Amino acid sequence: QKEVEQNSGPLSVPEGAIASLNCTYSDRGSQSFFWYRQYSGKSPELIMFIYSNGDKEDGRFTAQLNKASQYVSLLIRDSQPSDSATYLCAVTANQGGKLIFGQGTELSVKP
Amino acid sequence: DGGITQSPKYLFRKEGQNVTLSCEQNLNHDAMYWYRQDPGQGLRLIYYSQIVNDFQKGDIAEGYSVSREKKESFPLTVTSAQKNPTAFYLCASSTTSGGAPDTQYFGPGTRLTVL
Repeated sequence: QKEVEQNSGPLSVPEGAIASLNCTYSDRGSQSFFWYRQYSGKSPELIMFIYSNGDKEDGRFTAQLNKASQYVSLLIRDSQPSDSATYLCAVTANQGGKLIFGQGTELSVKP
Repeated sequence: DGGITQSPKYLFRKEGQNVTLSCEQNLNHDAMYWYRQDPGQGLRLIYYSQIVNDFQKGDIAEGYSVSREKKESFPLTVTSAQKNPTAFYLCASSTTSGGAPDTQYFGPGTRLTVL
């Protein structure tokens, strides 16, 4: 089992729809969870981080964390073509401040 | 203007050559990281450093070396022992205190191609 696993993409949604990106992790000791967006050929940029169970909202983005189920998700409301990118889920390792990254989910928002 | 810079943006290496990738940050972050990304893949950790003059191997350190002589700088050398070095190399840094510890911020990356 991979330490951090994301939906295999690509995920295609129409413009204006809600895009749902999912991530599961294996280390119960993980404390911090991150979502990064990566456009083709560019470096990852931080969208959100979440530490506590529940929802965290920032504009059109909502991160959801369920530590009991070892599950973190990212919802993008009113999806725009500019949201088309690969989304990387990252989870802190149990020690040392390292992040473990999932393989990424490619999102395509169709006009 | 704070941030992380990487140079060069593109780098071409001949077989048997060592090359060094530069990473500089002016964010006053303690920790710095090097990742490798292959097409369609996630990020794999090569080396990381949480303090000056100290660094640890990541998951794929073989064929790479680093140094951390200054807080601002964390250069990565890709040696001739690395058999398949063509990839996108990303440097990141993070702070260990404040409101969002462990949040890593990335430089623009260096794309290395072996000729």
